[in-house]
Order: sequence, then C-alpha cells, then structure tokens
Amino acid sequence: GAVVSQHPSWVICKSGTSVKIECRSLDFQATTMFWYRQFPKQSLMLMATSNEGSKATYEQGVEKDKFLINHASLTLSTLTVTSAHPEDSSFYICSARRVAVGYGYTFGSGTRLTVV
Amino acid sequence: AQSVTQLGSHVSVSEGALVLLRCNYSSSVPPYLFWYVQYPNQGLQLLLKYTTGATLVKGINGFEAEFKKSETSFHLTKPSAHMSDAAEYFCAVSVRNDKIIFGKGTRLHILP
Repeated sequence: GAVVSQHPSWVICKSGTSVKIECRSLDFQATTMFWYRQFPKQSLMLMATSNEGSKATYEQGVEKDKFLINHASLTLSTLTVTSAHPEDSSFYICSARRVAVGYGYTFGSGTRLTVV
Repeated sequence: AQSVTQLGSHVSVSEGALVLLRCNYSSSVPPYLFWYVQYPNQGLQLLLKYTTGATLVKGINGFEAEFKKSETSFHLTKPSAHMSDAAEYFCAVSVRNDKIIFGKGTRLHILP
C-alpha cells in the first residue's frame, strides 16, 4: 500500500515551453503534497507545499509564477514548469502525506527534466 | 526552524563491516526523524522513522537508528554492510506533522 505515482519519469523539452508533472496517490488520500527539487549530487530542496483545494505555499526563493502547483483532488497534484529554461533542468520529486492515522509520507519516483 | 546536519558527504566501508552514518538535528520542538535511501535516478525509500516512544528504531534491510535527545543525534547503523547498500542516504526532520527537511546526504560506498 501507500504508492505514489509520478509521471513522466523523464522529459525533454525545448526552451520556452511548459511541462506538467503529475503526482498521484494510488491507494490513499493525501491532503498535503510536497514538491522537491534535486540538483545532481545534492540534497532535496523543498519547493512548495500544496493542500487540496487551496493555494500552494512556496518556499522562499521559489518563483510561484514559474512553478505552478495545483492540488485539485485528494489524489492528484501537478507541477507545471512554465516557460522552461535550461537552468530549470533538474530532478523533481513529489511526496504525499497520508490522511489516515499515523505519520506517513510517500515519495514518487521522480521526474528528470531536461530543457534544451 | 528545524535543520539537519549529516557528517560526511562520503563514507566508505568494507563489505561485512559496520555502517555508521551520522546525523544531528536542530529543532525547538520534539522532532520526527527519518532516514531515506536513494538509488541513482530514483525516488526515495523510507528506511526508518522515529516519531515517539522507543528511541531505538529498527528499519528495513537491517538498518537501525537511535534517537538521542541529549546529543540531538539520530545516527544510522547496520552491523554488516552489503554491496547492495551502496547508495545515497538522507537524514530528515519534521515537526508538527509538517514538511520534511532533508540533510545534504551521505554517499555510502561499499568496498569489496
């Protein structure tokens, strides 16, 4: 149980285009989802926290207009990288926090974004 | 705000030897602590977590960690390293069921 599906696993896009990454909890409800960014050989940096039905909370220094987050349901959150540039190339990982009793976070398998 | 410090960005141990990865945390309130493992180009897998109760936590793949409040530490150990343990390990902290903050990670190398 507690599986988070993240798609696509990798994507290549041209500069100036937008890319959408989906994070879906398959067998549980997630009131809160988190989006992280990971540069090569570095740690995960929290970008934003999304709560179902409300606006995402962005960490300091993260451009909310570039990284659009939508959490329309208890099982789906999306991250859209708008007008992508090569410096946006990175590994993006989502995490879903379970509603049920207990303290659980489940991570997606990540998305490798390359902007050319 | 909470934070995590992992001592040693790279650790090398011989196969069969003890694995010890160090983690110290900073938090103004009782923390929840985690260890995750990441293989190349993959997501994170939870090894173990401490929330409340017993301070010695046993996880998957033979790993365990001990929460020491007096030392603000949560070191990860495994009695005998296996080649398959080679990966990146992240210590993480969370408070009040909120966002998880990660340490910088430790790359574990296993020597044959």
